[in-house]
Amino acid sequence: QVQLVESGGTLVRPGESLTLSCAASGFKFSDFEMSWIRQAPGEGLQWISHIDMSGDSTFYADSVVGRFTTSRDNAKNSLYLQMSSLRIEDTAVYYCARGDSAFDVWGRGTMVAVSS
Amino acid sequence: QSVLTQPPSVSATPGQRVIISCSGSTSNVGSNPVNWYQQLPGTAPKILIHSYNRRPSGVPGRFSGSKSGTSASLAISGLQSEDEADYYCSSWDNSLNGIVFGTGTEVTAL
Repeated sequence: QVQLVESGGTLVRPGESLTLSCAASGFKFSDFEMSWIRQAPGEGLQWISHIDMSGDSTFYADSVVGRFTTSRDNAKNSLYLQMSSLRIEDTAVYYCARGDSAFDVWGRGTMVAVSS
Repeated sequence: QSVLTQPPSVSATPGQRVIISCSGSTSNVGSNPVNWYQQLPGTAPKILIHSYNRRPSGVPGRFSGSKSGTSASLAISGLQSEDEADYYCSSWDNSLNGIVFGTGTEVTAL
């Protein structure tokens, strides 16, 4: 079945880097734009980034531009989020989702905690 | 930060109609499709409505969306206990060049 599975979330200290992965299955990954969305504990949803089908174009929220990089490997059916200079306010569950505006498939999320 | 405003909570008895508003601006709701998501406790969001009023297969017909100017609404006709969840609207924002989500609304069945 159509599925997205995130991994890589963990506890890190402020200023450190971390890379999240999202494994896609059950659909032709290269035919879809993909996005990252996060949700801080007890808070609402925040769009972070999206990437086009080829990986040539990426878009970022102002809060992460210059610190986060989204990429994809269509041969591996995988999406990535490289995060650097992490801040306490980056603490959240990170979801990957299929689409660039209407997100019709979501993963279960992976938790990133930034704390000293 | 959220640029789409929703009421923090709404409640109704089972069987009643519930309407959740989503207030935006000309750069988002006023000029782009609106989508709605349901997030059950402890789970990932699920798309309920896309392109203003289109339901993906499997979404019950009691959910419907509408838009007027820079505001959109999600209606639940005949609230059921399993509809207790958080609901979020979203839209593309031409000024921010990205997706914006609503502040979220918690729906409670009394």
